[in-house]
Amino acid sequence: EPEVTQTPSHQVTQMGQEVILRCVPISNHLYFYWYRQILGQKVEFLVSFYNNEISEKSEIFDDQFSVERPDGSNFTLKIRSTKLEDSAMYFCASQGNGANVLTFGAGSRLTVL
Amino acid sequence: SQQGEEDPQALSIQEGENATMNCSYKTSINNLQWYRQNSGRGLVHLILIRSNEREKHSGRLRVTLDTSKKSSSLLITASRAADTASYFCATESMNRDDKIIFGKGTRLHILP
Repeated sequence: EPEVTQTPSHQVTQMGQEVILRCVPISNHLYFYWYRQILGQKVEFLVSFYNNEISEKSEIFDDQFSVERPDGSNFTLKIRSTKLEDSAMYFCASQGNGANVLTFGAGSRLTVL
Repeated sequence: SQQGEEDPQALSIQEGENATMNCSYKTSINNLQWYRQNSGRGLVHLILIRSNEREKHSGRLRVTLDTSKKSSSLLITASRAADTASYFCATESMNRDDKIIFGKGTRLHILP
């Protein structure tokens, strides 16, 4: 069964450092999402991406965040200068055209020290 | 915000009993979905109900939707230990604004 893969599974970084989280969505999907979940809390929408551009973003997704689909397969989330409060699980999801269901990756745990 | 809000926040029941979780939301929706999350893992889609549907079944899952009350319920019948997980409702708005918003989730614990 097709799946969404995310790397790394866990990253530890120092405050102020840049972090790039990578996702490989399902190959024929057209919509891509990033969500984050602070430990044990709600799943928060960050950004959606379609047709090589951001289609929606939340208030969390400020200038420190960016997304990119550099090569037609990877979908990356970059945090320019990490803060302690960026520590969370980051989930990538993809969605096929005409479908409503999201397929999630297993997540990348980011720990900012 | 059209974020779904589940209740209860946590639920513990005996194996074999039925588990009911509720979700309320704020604005008009195109559809409502339920997802499951095992501890520390990604979310897995369970079932989708469209705004013009009132009830849907999938195996031991039964979902209802009341658009007049802006609420949904997820019933898991004959619960098993493996059903222990967090359950989230997610809504897609009527204006299809390319974001699916999740609620806070219900942590379900099935006692052996």
